[in-house]
Amino acid sequence: AQKITQTQPGMFVQEKEAVTLDCTYDTSDPSYGLFWYKQPSSGEMIFLIYQGSYDQQNATEGRYSLNFQKARKSANLVISASQLGDSAMYFCAMRADTGKLIFGQGTTLQVKP
Amino acid sequence: EADIYQTPRYLVIGTGKKITLECSQTMGHDKMYWYQQDPGMELHLIHYSYGVNSTEKGDLSSESTVSRIRTEHFPLTLESARPSHTSQYLCASSEFWKGNTEAFFGQGTRLTVV
Repeated sequence: AQKITQTQPGMFVQEKEAVTLDCTYDTSDPSYGLFWYKQPSSGEMIFLIYQGSYDQQNATEGRYSLNFQKARKSANLVISASQLGDSAMYFCAMRADTGKLIFGQGTTLQVKP
Repeated sequence: EADIYQTPRYLVIGTGKKITLECSQTMGHDKMYWYQQDPGMELHLIHYSYGVNSTEKGDLSSESTVSRIRTEHFPLTLESARPSHTSQYLCASSEFWKGNTEAFFGQGTRLTVV
């Protein structure tokens, strides 16, 4: 069975500082993909970054990077140089061989000026 | 820009009414998903489809039903709406398990049953 866990319901970060959002996962499939999405208060889901289970390097997309530790089954999102517009809910998601895409509980990030 | 559309965006309806939430995508994606999300909470997978004539139940039990007669269309139906169905419903699509293809989401339908 697949499972995604985000243990931080809420996080605060000062503007221009970096922040790490935690995500752990569980699956018995050797091939899987991990995703992070951002959901602002308006409700839309915005794709941020992807990491494949066979990728050797950690994924990066602009200010977003994914700290992938396969042995520990963790896929933490790092946001560098936080901006006020980063305030939103962030979801970690996983898709394994079954094709189901499941999400974690989410973390609400608030960026302080 | 994602080409996946949900209608209506907002719906207020009385108890007992039958409703259909529409979801269409023009990207030719095989996989489509329906999620239910209460405000500030996680997304629960309620239905998904591998392609035409394929539908599967998700991890959260739902009284809704879905159909996939055409690749681009994945409607969700509630035969008899109840206040407990009040929630946001999000539709998504992706290519069929192909590397780093993310799921694209529609804008969502906010359903209120009174």
